[in-house]
Amino acid sequence: DAKTTQPPSMDCAEGRAANLPCNHSTISGNEYVYWYRQIHSQGPQYIIHGLKNNETNEMASLIITEDRKSSTLILPHATLRDTAVYYCIVSVWGYSTLTFGKGTMLLVSP
Amino acid sequence: DAGVTQSPTHLIKTRGQQVTLRCSPKSGHDTVSWYQQALGQGPQFIFQYYEEEERQRGNFPDRFSGHQFPNYSSELNVNALLLGDSALYLCASSSGSGTAFFGQGTRLTVV
Repeated sequence: DAKTTQPPSMDCAEGRAANLPCNHSTISGNEYVYWYRQIHSQGPQYIIHGLKNNETNEMASLIITEDRKSSTLILPHATLRDTAVYYCIVSVWGYSTLTFGKGTMLLVSP
Repeated sequence: DAGVTQSPTHLIKTRGQQVTLRCSPKSGHDTVSWYQQALGQGPQFIFQYYEEEERQRGNFPDRFSGHQFPNYSSELNVNALLLGDSALYLCASSSGSGTAFFGQGTRLTVV
């Protein structure tokens, strides 16, 4: 079973920030938080990952709470092309085996 | 850099037949993992290959087997196909301790 809990769906207006939450209350000290997204019928796309510090790259920001039991993926200016299923996954670094849940379906609307 | 490439993109097979799917990893990657994604579900881990050996395996029957070649490319074989094997099959590659990157998948339909 997936070790994360995500809302099944979320809506966001184009141009606004999309904040996708994830709970991972049983995360271990050596597990990272990874985010992937999957646009319909395509392979999952890596977005970002982190251990305990907040991370930012050209796609998104990842905010991890101090107790590491939850995190938020932030897409700062959502576009229609960001409509996808977003998966939050916890995994040990170097293990590279991912356990997917059902993710959050993000719908970005004009 | 070509990224992870999979072939074929689509195929249709009949129940009882055998199928082979292929994956070329991203340049510099030596580890290949295979996933099965049924409609409406998240990907499920099948197995992982490293140094031409199966390093990990998920909860899949022995009908599912694989191989990794010296150039790190990999094949997934499924024997005695069932209707329930219809799915999107995804290949992901990584370096030994790095982030996994996925290909676009092979859509298998069993009729």
